[in-house]
Amino acid sequence: GAVVSQHPSRVICKSGTSVKIECRSLDFQATTMFWYRQFPKKSLMLMATSNEGSKATYEQGVEKDKFLINHASLTLSTLTVTSAHPEDSSFYICSARGTSGGTGELFFGEGSRLTVL
Amino acid sequence: GESVGLHLPTLSVQEGDNSIINCAYSNSASDYFIWYKQESGKGPQFIIDIRSNMDKRQGQRVTVLLNKTVKHLSLQIAATQPGDSAVYFCAEWALGGGADGLTFGKGTHLIIQP
Repeated sequence: GAVVSQHPSRVICKSGTSVKIECRSLDFQATTMFWYRQFPKKSLMLMATSNEGSKATYEQGVEKDKFLINHASLTLSTLTVTSAHPEDSSFYICSARGTSGGTGELFFGEGSRLTVL
Repeated sequence: GESVGLHLPTLSVQEGDNSIINCAYSNSASDYFIWYKQESGKGPQFIIDIRSNMDKRQGQRVTVLLNKTVKHLSLQIAATQPGDSAVYFCAEWALGGGADGLTFGKGTHLIIQP
């Protein structure tokens, strides 16, 4: 099946630094990617929709200046957590929808665990 | 708020037994449902899906049942194995259900006892 890869899988950083997480679709082109945040023992919370070649669309309550999203190609979207603080520590997951679209045909990455000290 | 919820946050079963994980949804317009498995520290993994025009679908060791009358979805896992230990999320898809179309349930942690 389709594969979505995230990198890094784990990152630890100091408060105030910025961290970039990559999401790649390895064997298909993804016109749309999604970024989620997941707290321990909680479900996934959609943060934003990343569209290739256009600005990301953020869900209500998500700071676009805090979580910068870039979708420069059909196989890569990046999430940059700017000036990270301990409360940004979380598990970040991306998903990608192929160009064929369809209902619910999302493929998820393995997730990236961010720990901000 | 979420329209999809799970009845039990934790389910413990003996290895080899069958497991049934339940999910209730409230959006009668949802027309596609998915079960995901998430192992610790990993992303969600697609297990099985079902469209609203069906009431049952079977996969390998898994069966999904959909009861649209009571807006209930269940995942049955036959002959559970240690590798089945994970959190299971149901998700519904509907137009207007979010940018990705999906609304996730809260998750059930399935624990397999040896």
